[in-house]
This record gives sequence, structure tokens and C-alpha cells, in this order.
Amino acid sequence: AQTVTQSQPEMSVQEAETVTLSCTYDTSENNYYLFWYKQPPSRQMILVIRQEAYKQQNATENRFSVNFQKAAKSFSLKISDSQLGDTAMYFCAFKGAQKLVFGQGTRLTINP
Amino acid sequence: EPEVTQTPSHQVTQMGQEVILRCVPISNHLYFYWYRQILGQKVEFLVSFYNNEISEKSEIFDDQFSVERPDGSNFTLKIRSTKLEDSAMYFCASRVDPRADTQYFGPGTRLTVL
Repeated sequence: AQTVTQSQPEMSVQEAETVTLSCTYDTSENNYYLFWYKQPPSRQMILVIRQEAYKQQNATENRFSVNFQKAAKSFSLKISDSQLGDTAMYFCAFKGAQKLVFGQGTRLTINP
Repeated sequence: EPEVTQTPSHQVTQMGQEVILRCVPISNHLYFYWYRQILGQKVEFLVSFYNNEISEKSEIFDDQFSVERPDGSNFTLKIRSTKLEDSAMYFCASRVDPRADTQYFGPGTRLTVL
């Protein structure tokens, strides 16, 4: 069974700083996808970024980028120039054939 | 931009009552999912649905739960006899087709069982 671990329950940084959220996973599959979802106080799940395991190049979406280390089964999220609106829970998720398996989440607070 | 919608946004019910949570997936999507998030915990997979049948379900999805696509647009989750521990956010998600990897989530329904 796949597992996803986020070892940082909470993080807090100042606005405009860069922050990195860590995620590790365990799987025996070779073809899979990894995601970061953001959950603001409204509790809606918003896709931030996705990565295909067969691609070596790290995904980037504007201020959001990932560091995907397949051999180490690590998938960290870097937020550059953080903004107040980035304050949210962030969930790392793994997808093999069908379902998403989520980590426990990291509560990120951006301070003014 | 098309999005997944869910109704109601908040449902309060008495223990033992039946509830039906409704979802309208994105119109050209073929795979549908329900997930649950108990307050303060991670999001957990409940069930996936394709071609009018369940394709995978978790241990949480016992006989008290059922899903249905009653027409071409709605996707429902029914809990027959709610328990206190069913209180959670319930998220519906949809995906285009087998080649697509991204699931798009609805805003969730907060279910409170008293």
C-alpha cells in the first residue's frame, strides 16, 4: 500500500520569504503521479502543482516549484516570494492507478 | 472554467438518519470519486466510480454507504444510517478519462451528525 508522509505539521514564514514543504512517499509502483493541493480556510481543495514520475524535470507553476527525487521518494514544494494568500493547509498526494493517497498536511502561515 | 459543484454546503442531521450528498462533476469527465476529511485529519479515499459501477472502494465504504449516478449530471453519496463519526467534510472529485491523472475537487459538503 502507498503511504505519504509530511513531517512538518506547521510552518510559519514572513511575507516575501521562500518556504519549502517536505513530503516523502512509499510505493512499489513505477508509474505514478504526485500532487500538491492547497486547502484554505474555506476547506476547498485546490490543485497547486503536479508531477509525473516518469519526468525527470521538476514541475513549476509560477511561484510554486517542486524538487522531485524519485530514488529518495521525496517530493518537496517550494513557494517563492510567499504571499498572505498562500496561508493554508498543504497536502501532498500520490496517485497510482486510481485513488489519491494524501499526507497528513502542513499548516502554512504567512505573516505580514 | 468548468468546476465540480456540491450541494448542500453544510448538512446537519440526527444520528440514524439517512443523508444524500450531491455532486455535479465536470461535464465531460468520466471518473468520479468521493473523499472524506474528518476535522483536523487528512483526506481519505472512499470510493471511485466509472461506467456506472464502483471501480474501487476503501474499508471506510461499508454497507452504510452507497453511490449513484441517477442521471447524466449528478453523482450522489448516500449514508443510510448516520453515526456521530460520519461527521466530516465530504469531497467529490472527477477526472476526465483513464489517460488523465488530475482529479478536480468540489468545494465539499460539511456533514454534522448530532
